[in-house]
Amino acid sequence: DSGVTQTPKHLITATGQRVTLRCSPRSGDLSVYWYQQSLDQGLQFLIQYYNGEERAKGNILERFSAQQFPDLHSELNLSSLELGDSALYFCASSALGETYNEQFFGPGTRLTVL
Amino acid sequence: AQSVTQLDSHVSVSEGTPVLLRCNYSSSYSPSLFWYVQHPNKGLQLLLKYTSAATLVKGINGFEAEFKKSETSFHLTKPSAHMSDAAEYFCVVSFGSYIPTFGRGTSLIVHP
Repeated sequence: DSGVTQTPKHLITATGQRVTLRCSPRSGDLSVYWYQQSLDQGLQFLIQYYNGEERAKGNILERFSAQQFPDLHSELNLSSLELGDSALYFCASSALGETYNEQFFGPGTRLTVL
Repeated sequence: AQSVTQLDSHVSVSEGTPVLLRCNYSSSYSPSLFWYVQHPNKGLQLLLKYTSAATLVKGINGFEAEFKKSETSFHLTKPSAHMSDAAEYFCVVSFGSYIPTFGRGTSLIVHP
C-alpha cells in the first residue's frame, strides 16, 4: 500500500458527460501528479501540483482541469467526455516538487466512456 | 530535452533464469533514472532509482540496474526470475523540474 488513495476505483459514464476523480496524497507529501494510461498512448503525464500551485503541465487536454486544495488532496475534472478518454487515471505524490523525487502511485481510477 | 526508450515491449524468461530489461535514455543533463513495476490492476511501485551516486543501484526484490553514461543505458537485471516478477516494467528519466518521461513499458512474462 503506497499510502495514496484514489476514488472512485471504477467509473462508467456516457459521452459528453463530466466526471471528477479524487486523489489523497501520502501524509506529508506536498506534490501531486496526474497520469493517464491507455493501451495506445502508454503512460502520459497530465499535470503536477505542488502545495496548491500548478507546477508542471504535460499532455493535458483543455477539456481536463485539475486543482489541489488546502488539505493537499487533488481533483481531476474531465468534461465533454469522448470515447477516447477511456483509460486508467493514476495519481501519484511525492514529498517535494522536484521530479527526481520518488513518486508514490495510487491504485488508479478506471474510466470507461460509453 | 529528454527521452527514454525501452528496447523490448515483451521479454519472456523461464523461472530461475536471469532477467534483462533494457532501457536507453537521452538527456541534455545528468538525469535521474527510475525503474517502476506495475502488477496487473495495480498502481506503479518504485523498484530503484539512480540520482548520481553509485552507478550500480540495488532495488527491491533482488533487482538491480547499472547506469552507464557512455552507453546512455540503465538496464534492469535480476539473477533469477520468480513467477511473481511477471508484470509491466517502466523506465523513467527525469531532470530537475522537467516532467518525468516514461518509457512505453516492457512486459515481463515468466514461464514455470
